[in-house]
Order: sequence, then structure tokens, then C-alpha cells
Amino acid sequence: LAKTTQPISMDSYEGQEVNITCSHNNIATNDYITWYQQFPSQGPRFIIQGYKTKVTNEVASLFIPADRKSSTLSLPRVSLSDTAVYYCLVGDLAGNTPLVFGKGTRLSVIA
Amino acid sequence: KAGVTQTPRYLIKTRGQQVTLSCSPISGHRSVSWYQQTPGQGLQFLFEYFSETQRNKGNFPGRFSGRQFSNSRSEMNVSTLELGDSALYLCASRPASAGETQYFGPGTRLLVL
Repeated sequence: LAKTTQPISMDSYEGQEVNITCSHNNIATNDYITWYQQFPSQGPRFIIQGYKTKVTNEVASLFIPADRKSSTLSLPRVSLSDTAVYYCLVGDLAGNTPLVFGKGTRLSVIA
Repeated sequence: KAGVTQTPRYLIKTRGQQVTLSCSPISGHRSVSWYQQTPGQGLQFLFEYFSETQRNKGNFPGRFSGRQFSNSRSEMNVSTLELGDSALYLCASRPASAGETQYFGPGTRLLVL
């Protein structure tokens, strides 16, 4: 199972762009990278997923370099409501291995 | 499309009792996974069911068990509850096809006294 390493916490001011980087040095060829957001006492919410290069949706962008040993979640212009824990996961979405959560990054957005 | 639903949302039990939690996946999803989340251990994978068969299993004692029905709904059972079983239990579902991610329910908060 690919393990991930993320910063434990980050602080940001409202309106700034936040980049959270995740390391996954032993990612396998069939692995995808997925990011989740979780608020206290709620289930994780899917943010974005990718395999390589760049993926963008209405809430975030995901940058994956060619070697795929890391990925960066980019949140544009964060607001107070983006204060949450963000998890980076690497896993085989065909179901051969379960998705394993790391400790996540606790993002605090300050007014 | 309705999301993943879990019942009950909150539960209080005493040590030694058993508990059954229920999860209804998103329509069309055939895989259901269960996770336990505690402040100390974070999100830990319990097991995954696909087409009524356990496909993956985490490192939990045999007191934790699950099953999946033909309509993909899943139940998780914990027998002989311990104080340390107090946690948020999360269910997630996903389609069977590769490249599809999983979506989580709101969780069941279990308190063991």
C-alpha cells in the first residue's frame, strides 16, 4: 500500500491560495491520487482525483509531476469555511487494495 | 442521486453489548467500505464488501464483522463492546469500475459507556 506524507497543519488568511503537498514515493502504476476534505463529526467529502499532470474542477486543482511521487492540492482564494482536515490518498481504484488514510493536514483559515 | 446514508446517526451502548450499524450505498454502487475514526488513531479501514463478498479487510479484531446484502446495503456488527470502540463509524460506497472514487456517508457516532 502506498503511504502518504502531508504537513500536519497549515494556516492561511482568507482570500489567499493554499497549496498542500502530499508525498507518495512508492506509488504504483495503477494508483490514482484522491483528496478529501473533512469537517468535524462529518464524513470525508471528495474534492478531486487524478492520475497525472493537472486536474481542475470547480473547487480545486490537483498538480501531479511526471514522476507522480508527489501531488499538490491547490485551493484558490480560501474562505473561513475551508477550515477543515484535508486527506491525500493513493490507491488502486479497481478495488484490489483498500484506500488508506494518513493523518491529513489541518488547514486553519484566518480572517 | 441520493448519497450514502447511515443509520442510526448516534448510538449509546454499554460495555459488553453488541451493536449493528447500517449503510445504504449510492444507487448503483456495488462496493461498500467501513472505516473507524477516533481522535487518537484517525481514519482506519475496517473492511470492504463487493457483491456480497468481503474483498479487503483491515487490522481489527474478530469482534468487528460485516456483511453485504444483494441490494448492496451493508451492515457492520461489533460484539462485546469495549470503551475503546467509541468512535465515528463511516461507510463509503463506490461503483465497481476502475477509476471511480468512493463517497462517504455522514457516519454513526457510537459512544460506549
